[in-house]
Amino acid sequence: GAGVSQSPRYKVAKRGQDVALRCDPISGHVSLFWYQQALGQGPEFLTYFQNEAQLDKSGLPSDRFFAERPEGSVSTLKIQRTQQEDSAVYLCASSLAKNRDSYEQYFGPGTRLTVT
Amino acid sequence: KQEVTQIPAALSVPEGENLVLNCSFTDSAIYNLQWFRQDPGKGLTSLLLIQSSQREQTSGRLNASLDKSSGRSTLYIAASQPGDSATYLCAVFLGFGNEKLTFGTGTRLTIIP
Repeated sequence: GAGVSQSPRYKVAKRGQDVALRCDPISGHVSLFWYQQALGQGPEFLTYFQNEAQLDKSGLPSDRFFAERPEGSVSTLKIQRTQQEDSAVYLCASSLAKNRDSYEQYFGPGTRLTVT
Repeated sequence: KQEVTQIPAALSVPEGENLVLNCSFTDSAIYNLQWFRQDPGKGLTSLLLIQSSQREQTSGRLNASLDKSSGRSTLYIAASQPGDSATYLCAVFLGFGNEKLTFGTGTRLTIIP
């Protein structure tokens, strides 16, 4: 079946531009997560949704970062006024999250953002 | 705050050898632990998930163990192959109400043909 998809796969932005990154989770998955992975590092949590509710945004590095999931399915991560330190791979994951055995997170291929 | 450490950061071994990757975490109150594989420029592929009540999980040539009380997990790869070359990441999950994964920095594995 279809996995988690993300678009675009690669994005080059000039410093100061706004960008929008899209995530399509696995159909029926309740939970959706965004992570940021800097070069040579493990992914770091940004934010989490359960259906359309954003339950945790403690990892968002600044108020330039904003995420939404208005209908409880597709999610968009928006970064305003991009800075060079925003250059990273942005990973999206989803999980069924219905019971003990369904907390496993499935990851998309990521969007590589380069800010020049 | 949960911290996850993976040692070594990089490892090179000849093809055919068995090897062990290590993961340690500071807060033993985890719900489960996952091992992932990441190929260059790609997303994460889940290899094994161990629930907190389990001691180990096996999939083919991979075996993951969990010692929750000591805050350690190991990933054992038997009869390594060049196709096993990748970065291996472990991540801990604290459970309902705190559902983010906390990742280690990974071990970059190279299998030498």
